Amino acid sequence: DAKTTQPNSMESNEEEPVHLPCNHSTISGTDYIHWYRQLPSQGPEYVIHGLTSNVNNRMASLAIAEDRKSSTLILHRATLRDAAVYYCILSPRHAGGTSYGKLTFGQGTILTVHP
Amino acid sequence: GAVVSQHPSWVICKSGTSVKIECRSLDFQATTMFWYRQFPKQSLMLMATSNEGSKATYEQGVEKDKFLINHASLTLSTLTVTSAHPEDSSFYICSARVLAVNEQFFGPGTRLTVL
Repeated sequence: DAKTTQPNSMESNEEEPVHLPCNHSTISGTDYIHWYRQLPSQGPEYVIHGLTSNVNNRMASLAIAEDRKSSTLILHRATLRDAAVYYCILSPRHAGGTSYGKLTFGQGTILTVHP
Repeated sequence: GAVVSQHPSWVICKSGTSVKIECRSLDFQATTMFWYRQFPKQSLMLMATSNEGSKATYEQGVEKDKFLINHASLTLSTLTVTSAHPEDSSFYICSARVLAVNEQFFGPGTRLTVL
């Protein structure tokens, strides 16, 4: 399975943008890039996902490098409620094979937001 | 978004007893559910993949006779920790995959403490 590399921790100030990087140099051409986040003592929450093009939703933006070997999750204005562990995960696009649907969580990035 | 619930949210039991945890998809049908375990300050570890109407597929190192999984309907999967011991104390999280869409929605988790 293709793996991802994220910084252990990052800090931000409230209402400032946050750019969370993720390296995935061994990504397959059919792998989706998913981002989830987990608040303390809660289950993970879906943030965003993409394949090749940049993606925007109400929570965040996902910028995907042209060679797809890295991506960046962008929180446009961080709030205290955005403090969480952010996970960047690759998941196969197509059914078939033992990896389909499985999400392999790495250590993620602990985001601290300062008031 | 799709909602996944877990019951109970926390449970304390004596060593040697069995504990059942329920995972329900509330507003969608899930042919596949996943069970994860998370120890303090660690990431989520996939335990097993549960498919409706068939036997669960366990990850390497997970004892299938100790962690019994039943996925009897499209909206319910259960995890039973048999003969629980203190080392089984953990945060158990389920997720459900929306049919035909490679997206997972996570439950809030169940905190198990074995005395």
